[in-house]
Amino acid sequence: ETGVTQTPRHLVMGMTNKKSLKCEQHLGHNAMYWYKQSAKKPLELMFVYSLEERVENNSVPSRFSPECPNSSHLFLHLHTLQPEDSALYLCASSWGSGRANEQFFGPGTRLTVL
Amino acid sequence: TQLLEQSPQFLSIQEGENLTVYCNSSSVFSSLQWYRQEPGEGPVLLVTVVTGGEVKKLKRLTFQFGDARKDSSLHITAAQPGDTGLYLCAGFAGGTSYGKLTFGQGTILTVHP
Repeated sequence: ETGVTQTPRHLVMGMTNKKSLKCEQHLGHNAMYWYKQSAKKPLELMFVYSLEERVENNSVPSRFSPECPNSSHLFLHLHTLQPEDSALYLCASSWGSGRANEQFFGPGTRLTVL
Repeated sequence: TQLLEQSPQFLSIQEGENLTVYCNSSSVFSSLQWYRQEPGEGPVLLVTVVTGGEVKKLKRLTFQFGDARKDSSLHITAAQPGDTGLYLCAGFAGGTSYGKLTFGQGTILTVHP
């Protein structure tokens, strides 16, 4: 499945580093999402963008900063992270409306914070 | 806040056995999706059900949406080791929710040869 791509696939960073995660969707969708998936926890929705406008921020700490420059690209800027932020970060896209609204996921970035 | 209760959380069975995973809510959903996720990868969409009482089949997998559109089930017949993975149900409320999905906790299925 190459509809949604994410880079890098793996990232190890120290607590003082600044890094960015990138997501690109090739499906023509107009909504994009960032999720956090930790071990033994349900998927946690972090941010929702609809038509490049942030429409939801689920009480995410400010050390996570999303950016959506256009409907195909989504970034998650990371700075001063904590070890508990280590997780699989997933990007998804969808039409954002309609009866079904299926979301299509990227392969994720496995983040480890030392 | 909408919730989806998924059960069981863990399932370990032998090849050839049948199994059912349940997804229940007190809320009505416009549609419900089932995903399968392998370790280190993102969830992959298996099916979407949109009509109350709908049944969809995907080879050995049978998906059902409850009549009231509050619950769903996934039944696998004659499970194979390749079915091993995390199964997630996700409900879409519809309307102006910007496509947000409510996810269940997931069921980790292990099929032993």
